[in-house]
Amino acid sequence: DAKTTQPPSMDCAEGRAANLPCNHSTISGNEYVYWYRQIHSQGPQYIIHGLKNNETNEMASLIITEDRKSSTLILPHATLRDTAVYYCIVPDSNYQLIWGAGTKLIIKP
Amino acid sequence: EAGVVQSPRYKIIEKKQPVAFWCNPISGHNTLYWYRQNLGQGPELLIRYENEEAVDDSQLPKDRFSAERLKGVDSTLKIQPAELGDSAVYLCASSLGGTKWQAFFGQGTRLTVV
Repeated sequence: DAKTTQPPSMDCAEGRAANLPCNHSTISGNEYVYWYRQIHSQGPQYIIHGLKNNETNEMASLIITEDRKSSTLILPHATLRDTAVYYCIVPDSNYQLIWGAGTKLIIKP
Repeated sequence: EAGVVQSPRYKIIEKKQPVAFWCNPISGHNTLYWYRQNLGQGPELLIRYENEEAVDDSQLPKDRFSAERLKGVDSTLKIQPAELGDSAVYLCASSLGGTKWQAFFGQGTRLTVV
């Protein structure tokens, strides 16, 4: 079973920041949090990952709470092309990525 | 640089027929994964290779599924015979390996068994 929980769906207005939450209350001290997204009819695309510090790249920012039990992926200026399913993943004890159902993010014009 | 290449993109076969999917990973990536994705669900790992060695095939239905990765580069996933329940998208991914989980995915092969 996936070690994360995410809301099944979210809406966001185009041009606004999209904030996608993820709970991973059983995460251990050395486990990373990974975010991928999957646009319709395409394979998943890596977005970002982090351990305990906040991370930022050209696609998104990742905010991890101090207790590491939850995180938020932020798309600062969402566009229609950001409509996708977003997956938050913590590898299991065998270092495998166990994928849940993700959050379906719909960006509205 | 080309990404992960999969073929075919789509495949429709009758049940009990064999089918094969091909994957060419990113050059230099030692780890190769095959996933199956059913509609509305996340990908499910079928098998993981480190170079030529299958290091995790616990989720591969071995009675009908087989995979190989000759010379540690390209890989083929085969189903024989196919069943109706095998209809899904089959995804191949590759990564540098070790604990580097930044995996790159192909576009997948959508299999329909009729």
